[in-house]
Amino acid sequence: DVQLVESGGGLVQPGGSLRLSCVASGLTFSNYWMSWVRQAPGKGLEWVASIKGDGSVKDYVDSVRGRFTISRDNAKNSLDLQMHSLSAEDTAVYYCARIYYYDTGGPLDYWGQGTSVTVSP
Amino acid sequence: AIQLTQSPSSLSASVGDRVTITCRTSRGIGRALAWYQQKPGKPPKLLIYGASTLESGVPLRFSGSGSGADFTLTIDTLQPEDFATYYCQQFNTYPQITFGGGTKVEIK
Repeated sequence: DVQLVESGGGLVQPGGSLRLSCVASGLTFSNYWMSWVRQAPGKGLEWVASIKGDGSVKDYVDSVRGRFTISRDNAKNSLDLQMHSLSAEDTAVYYCARIYYYDTGGPLDYWGQGTSVTVSP
Repeated sequence: AIQLTQSPSSLSASVGDRVTITCRTSRGIGRALAWYQQKPGKPPKLLIYGASTLESGVPLRFSGSGSGADFTLTIDTLQPEDFATYYCQQFNTYPQITFGGGTKVEIK
């Protein structure tokens, strides 16, 4: 059974940094694209970043590009999101999700339970 | 970036009703669309991908249709456990993906 478990969320001051992690089990981790998706309180889903299985391709939503870095360690089955220059607009639950890649892309078929990030003085 | 517009943003329905949610994209995406269900405090659950392929374990009362820029999620015979928020998502512009704004299905 595929399991994704996020950690690292918490309260951080504006301008601060935080590193989120996601540990995966029950899958051959290096075979899959992975993504981070966030959800601000009471709002919809927003894709944040994705990374290819071998780490060679990464992409970000414009609002975090240059501030966030997605990375992975396939030896440890882990996915990270390093976040810098945080603002209140980054307050959200952050989900780690696996991409079921087929054809030229794919849906997010497994999700973690999420880790909450609050940016506040 | 491709924009996804869901309608309605919310609806009220009764158990047993047939519910239809639409998702319109700002340009054609073929069939690169997925639908998710989300309940409060839980992560989204994949229902349908490729516009009409039902994810394993999803009840047959859920169906998806459409291609190009217009898509539909239909729930036949709404069940109590179906009251939730539904999102569409496009994956035509990989690795960038985008979600619709969501449709909340509430009990009438």
